[in-house]
Amino acid sequence: DGGITQSPKYLFRKEGQNVTLSCEQNLNHDAMYWYRQDPGQGLRLIYYSQIVNDFQKGDIAEGYSVSREKKESFPLTVTSAQKNPTAFYLCASSPGLAGGPGLETQYFGPGTRLLVL
Amino acid sequence: RKEVEQDPGPFNVPEGATVAFNCTYSNSASQSFFWYRQDCRKEPKLLMSVYSSGNEDGRFTAQLNRASQYISLLIRDSKLSDSATYLCVVTLRDDKIIFGKGTRLHILP
Repeated sequence: DGGITQSPKYLFRKEGQNVTLSCEQNLNHDAMYWYRQDPGQGLRLIYYSQIVNDFQKGDIAEGYSVSREKKESFPLTVTSAQKNPTAFYLCASSPGLAGGPGLETQYFGPGTRLLVL
Repeated sequence: RKEVEQDPGPFNVPEGATVAFNCTYSNSASQSFFWYRQDCRKEPKLLMSVYSSGNEDGRFTAQLNRASQYISLLIRDSKLSDSATYLCVVTLRDDKIIFGKGTRLHILP
């Protein structure tokens, strides 16, 4: 059963703490993305990766870091430098590089809600 | 002007009615267009891609007007299960992906 999974569903962060959100896909997709969604707002791109061991900053990368050591996995770390981390985080993937990531349908994981204690 | 702008909503319409969503985009070099549906506290899911020739899928019809830089989504014979937020998505030639803020739809029984 192919798909994209995110964990945990809810995550609580203490002040000054780094937390890592997991994103795994078994769709054999080359491209993966991280978005942040705030209430009443559209999705904003944090980071994306078109191929293993390569990633690019999106519109709001400050305070976040990513890695892409495996095709299937694209974890997002929310660092203590991110001063307003409370949001709904969505991971997505799309098939490949042909024509660029923007031209392809994106498939989303179920999301992780991050809350600050 | 915002890069992608949608009707603010919410739309409250009776079951069986026809609903129309509009979305305008500012960049004339925009390349691809999509409508996504997002249920409350869930992830977005692709509803339809939008082509210049227009496309239809059952009760749903999407149109693209490049000259006026807008896309539309029409839902006919609306069902209670159509209640959701509808997101307009535009991609640019440099592969930048822009999501609209979405329009919330409530279908009333």
